[in-house]
Amino acid sequence: GEDVEQSLFLSVREGDSSVINCTYTDSSSTYLYWYKQEPGAGLQLLTYIFSNMDMKQDQRLTVLLNKKDKHLSLRIADTQTGDSAIYFCAEALSGGYNKLIFGAGTRLAVHP
Amino acid sequence: NAGVTQTPKFQVLKTGQSMTLQCAQDMNHNSMYWYRQDPGMGLRLIYYSASEGTTDKGEVPNGYNVSRLNKREFSLRLESAAPSQTSVYFCASGTSGGQETQYFGPGTRLLVL
Repeated sequence: GEDVEQSLFLSVREGDSSVINCTYTDSSSTYLYWYKQEPGAGLQLLTYIFSNMDMKQDQRLTVLLNKKDKHLSLRIADTQTGDSAIYFCAEALSGGYNKLIFGAGTRLAVHP
Repeated sequence: NAGVTQTPKFQVLKTGQSMTLQCAQDMNHNSMYWYRQDPGMGLRLIYYSASEGTTDKGEVPNGYNVSRLNKREFSLRLESAAPSQTSVYFCASGTSGGQETQYFGPGTRLLVL
C-alpha cells in the first residue's frame, strides 16, 4: 500500500544546513510536497516538486527527488531558530481527487 | 483574506456527546478536506468534498459525518464521541485538477473523556 516514511527527529546548530529525508512507496505519485508545522498551528506549504523533476530550489530551500529510489529530501541552508518545527513530507496520488499521503513528520530542533 | 478558518479551537467532550466542527474558506476553492492528526502519525484523511454537493469517505471515516453546506463551508460531525476520537482535526481546501495545493486551517484540538 501507499506509505511515506521520515525520520522522527533532527537536531542542527544554527547556521548549519539541515537535510530532512523522506521515502515513499507509490511510483504513481504526481507531486511531492513539504509542509511545515509550528507548535499549535496548522500545516503551511513550504514547497512542492513535480514527479518529473529532480531538483527545485526556492531561496534557502532545495528539494531533491530521486524517483528511482523513491527518495525525497529537503535541504534548508543557513538554518535559523525560526526553522524549528515539524516538517511533513507528502505524496499526491493521481485519482479522482488530490489524495495526499503524509509521513509522520520530522521534528527539527535548531540550537545555538 | 482569512484563508481557512476553523471553530472551535479547543473542545472537551464526554463520551457519547455530539458536536460539529466548522470550517470555512474564502479562496473560492472547489475541494475541501477533513484530516485528523495523532501523535507520531501523519495526517489521515477522514472525509473530502471534491466540489460543492459531493462528499466521499477518506481513510478513517468511521464515527464521523460531513456536510458540504456550500462552496465555502464544510463541517464535520461526531454523533457519539469516543475517547479514540481525541485528536487534532484539520480542515483544508484546494483547487481541484492538476497540481493542487492544499491549504490548512489552524486546527481544532478535541479531547473526549
